[in-house]
Amino acid sequence: DIQMTQSPSSLSASVGDRVTITCRASQSISSHLNWYQQQPGKVPKLLIYAGTRLQSGVPSRFSGSESGTVFTLTISSLQPEDFATYYCQQSYSSAFTFGQGTRVDIK
Amino acid sequence: QITLKESGPTLVKPTQTLTLTCSFSGFSFSTSGAGVAWIRQPPGKALEWLSLIYWDDEKRYSPSLKNRLTITKDTSKNQVVLKMANMDHVDTATYYCAHSLSLAGFFDYWGQGIPVSVSS
Repeated sequence: DIQMTQSPSSLSASVGDRVTITCRASQSISSHLNWYQQQPGKVPKLLIYAGTRLQSGVPSRFSGSESGTVFTLTISSLQPEDFATYYCQQSYSSAFTFGQGTRVDIK
Repeated sequence: QITLKESGPTLVKPTQTLTLTCSFSGFSFSTSGAGVAWIRQPPGKALEWLSLIYWDDEKRYSPSLKNRLTITKDTSKNQVVLKMANMDHVDTATYYCAHSLSLAGFFDYWGQGIPVSVSS
C-alpha cells in the first residue's frame, strides 16, 4: 500500500494568515494527488486534483504544489469558511489511500 | 447535475453482513470512464477508501478489507451495491459513495453519507 503522511496533524491560524499543509507519499505517485476540504459535519469537497489543478468553483486562494513525493496545499489568505479538516488522497496505485487529515482551527 | 445517495441499515449486529446501496443520477455506467467509490469515516477519524467499480466492471478493493468486501453495479438502475461481511464495532462509521472517473482517480461528487453503527 502507498502510505500518505500529512503534517501537521493540526494547526491554529488567524483569518488572513497564509497556511501550508504537507502530504508525503511513501513512494513515487507522479502527480496523482488530490486534496479535499471537510468542514465540520459536512461532506468532503474536492479542492485540488492532479497535484496542482484547481477544481471548478474553488477559490483561487487555494493552490497545490509538488516536489518529488512531497505535496503541498497552500491557502494564501485564510478565510472564516476555511476552518476545516484537509485530506490528501493518492490515485496512483490501484488501491487509493487518504492521509490522516490536518485540522485547521481558529487561533 | 450529478447526485448520489446512500441507503441501507443504520444499525447492524456484530458478525452480520452490511449491504449499502448507492443510487445516482446525472451520469451512467453506459458512459466510458464512469466510476463509483465507497469511502468511510469513523466518528472523529480520517477518511478511508474502501472500494471502487468502473463502467467496464473493473473492481478495486482496499487490501486490508478485500476479503470482506463485494462491490457490484446495476447499470439499468443506476445503482452500486457494497457488501461488507463480518461486521465489527470498529466498522462503525459514516459510509459515503462518490463519483469518480477512470484515469482521474479523484472524487468530485459525494453522497450525503449514511451513518452505520455496529452494536449487539
